[in-house]
Amino acid sequence: AQSVSQHNHHVILSEAASLELGCNYSYGGTVNLFWYVQYPGQHLQLLLKYFSGDPLVKGIKGFEAEFIKSKFSFNLRKPSVQWSDTAEYFCAVISSGGGADGLTFGKGTHLIIQP
Amino acid sequence: GAGVSQSPSNKVTEKGKDVELRCDPISGHTALYWYRQSLGQGLEFLIYFQGNSAPDKSGLPSDRFSAERTGGSVSTLTIQRTQQEDSAVYLCASSLALGGAGETQYFGPGTRLLVL
Repeated sequence: AQSVSQHNHHVILSEAASLELGCNYSYGGTVNLFWYVQYPGQHLQLLLKYFSGDPLVKGIKGFEAEFIKSKFSFNLRKPSVQWSDTAEYFCAVISSGGGADGLTFGKGTHLIIQP
Repeated sequence: GAGVSQSPSNKVTEKGKDVELRCDPISGHTALYWYRQSLGQGLEFLIYFQGNSAPDKSGLPSDRFSAERTGGSVSTLTIQRTQQEDSAVYLCASSLALGGAGETQYFGPGTRLLVL
């Protein structure tokens, strides 16, 4: 069975600080990887995704993530955060062979940016 | 374009009653997924549909839960004899296809269910 571990449950940063949220997954086969974001009062939105090719993927709002296959990791980064980045961030994985088992999500990281 | 829509947005019910939750996927999306988001369990996958078919129902929490999809579009999740532990946000997602590059799932706003 797949599993996803997000190391930080709560992160508090000041504006302009750099951000890195850790994500590790456990699965024996090839996977597609995602980061979703949930802003306060809003629904889950796709931030970025990795299917194949360049392991460094760029998403919306200046976010990027790097897939390191040897470490089973897909960490999310942003060089300079803004107050509007306050949200819950979820890492998710699915077998690239098909969605029969749906997305497996991490527990989420609650990010608070202080002005 | 229109995203995934769900209704009702909020539902309060009494323990033992049946509830029906509805999902309208993005037009043209063949795959549809149901998830549950709760404080204790995080985001859990419940069931998926490819077209009208749900090949695997093992993710449903109990036999009180059922789901169907008709016409390759709208889906309903039904919870019979609701229990307090069913209280959660029920999320629906759809994707263009099952597997491969079309796998990106787009989520609806959810139905917040409270069982008293």
